[in-house]
Amino acid sequence: EPEVTQTPSHQVTQMGQEVILRCVPISNHLYFYWYRQILGQKVEFLVSFYNNEISEKSEIFDDQFSVERPDGSNFTLKIRSTKLEDSAMYFCASSESRVRVYFGPGTRLTVL
Amino acid sequence: QKEVEQNSGPLSVPEGAIASLNCTYSDRGSQSFFWYRQYSGKSPELIMFIYSNGDKEDGRFTAQLNKASQYVSLLIRDSQPSDSATYLCAVCPGGTSYGKLTFGQGTILTVHP
Repeated sequence: EPEVTQTPSHQVTQMGQEVILRCVPISNHLYFYWYRQILGQKVEFLVSFYNNEISEKSEIFDDQFSVERPDGSNFTLKIRSTKLEDSAMYFCASSESRVRVYFGPGTRLTVL
Repeated sequence: QKEVEQNSGPLSVPEGAIASLNCTYSDRGSQSFFWYRQYSGKSPELIMFIYSNGDKEDGRFTAQLNKASQYVSLLIRDSQPSDSATYLCAVCPGGTSYGKLTFGQGTILTVHP
């Protein structure tokens, strides 16, 4: 069964550094998302992406965040200057129909 | 603020019993409702979705929706130890694009042999 894949599984970075989290959505899906989950807290929506542009974003998704689909398969989330509070599990997700949203395994980001 | 509320549990049931998980939501315009299962340290896995009032059954799982009461539930029949996980209720609020889900904090379910 096709799956969303994410790399790396764990990223450790220093505060103020830039990080790029990578995702390969399911191949025939057209809608892509980033969610995050701070340890012990709810899963939170960050951004949705369709047709090479952001379709919706949350209040969390400020100017420090950006997303890109650099080629036909990858979907990336960039955090320009990481803060301690960015430490979380980041889930990429994709959907064919915007109904069934399939999550990747996540990247655990630790900001020191 | 559009909220989704769940009893965080833990809910403990014996193997073979019915587990009942509940969720309420604040946005009356919400359009679609989802139950995800999340094992510790893993990503959410879609179990069921429901749009219309009433019941929807899939194997051992039944989702129930009551839009008037703004209430959605998940019943797990013949619970197994492998069902032990956190169950996340998610709602697609009204006026947003599909796929933008608002999650509850999850209910921890433990099924003991």
